[in-house]
Amino acid sequence: GIQVEQSPPDLILQEGANSTLRCNFSDSVNNLQWFHQNPWGQLINLFYIPSGTKQNGRLSATTVATERYSLLYISSSQTTDSGVYFCAVGLISNFGNEKLTFGTGTRLTIIP
Amino acid sequence: KAGVTQTPRYLIKTRGQQVTLSCSPISGHRSVSWYQQTPGQGLQFLFEYFSETQRNKGNFPGRFSGRQFSNSRSEMNVSTLELGDSALYLCASSGTGTGTHETQYFGPGTRLLVL
Repeated sequence: GIQVEQSPPDLILQEGANSTLRCNFSDSVNNLQWFHQNPWGQLINLFYIPSGTKQNGRLSATTVATERYSLLYISSSQTTDSGVYFCAVGLISNFGNEKLTFGTGTRLTIIP
Repeated sequence: KAGVTQTPRYLIKTRGQQVTLSCSPISGHRSVSWYQQTPGQGLQFLFEYFSETQRNKGNFPGRFSGRQFSNSRSEMNVSTLELGDSALYLCASSGTGTGTHETQYFGPGTRLLVL
């Protein structure tokens, strides 16, 4: 199956700092999503980005499908950005959505 | 639109019992997937249902089963609970299931503790 690696596993930053989270995957995919898991366990959709670049406020993401990696950028970090960030990939077949394979996540801690 | 809802939110069971978890997808969504999250194994895919049919299944024993109803609501059942089944169980729904822009939206999860 597809392997997904995320780095770094842990990241501690001061409020206001910028960060880059990386996701490498082992095979071609046509579904890639970034999620933020809050302290209560809820997975919040950040981006659906199988290729290209998207931006949403202080967050942006880039996926280079041909090189099998995706990057999540967080600028001007706030304490509310703390939590675990997951990258998940999958293949959408003609039959519909296949399973998502998740990486092990990056735990981000923003210090005031 | 209301999001994905899961009930119950918390559950405590003892070994050997069985449990049923429920998931209501976003209105209009037809695909429902289930995932298990544990500290040791991370997030793992259990199964996916579309139009009351299981389309995809992960590597879990037969004690884990599910079903989907005609209104797209889904239930998963775990029989003969083991301590290792303690986990956060997450349900996700996606839209048409036809393969176009299939963002998955997750519910808040059910935390199951097996004693």
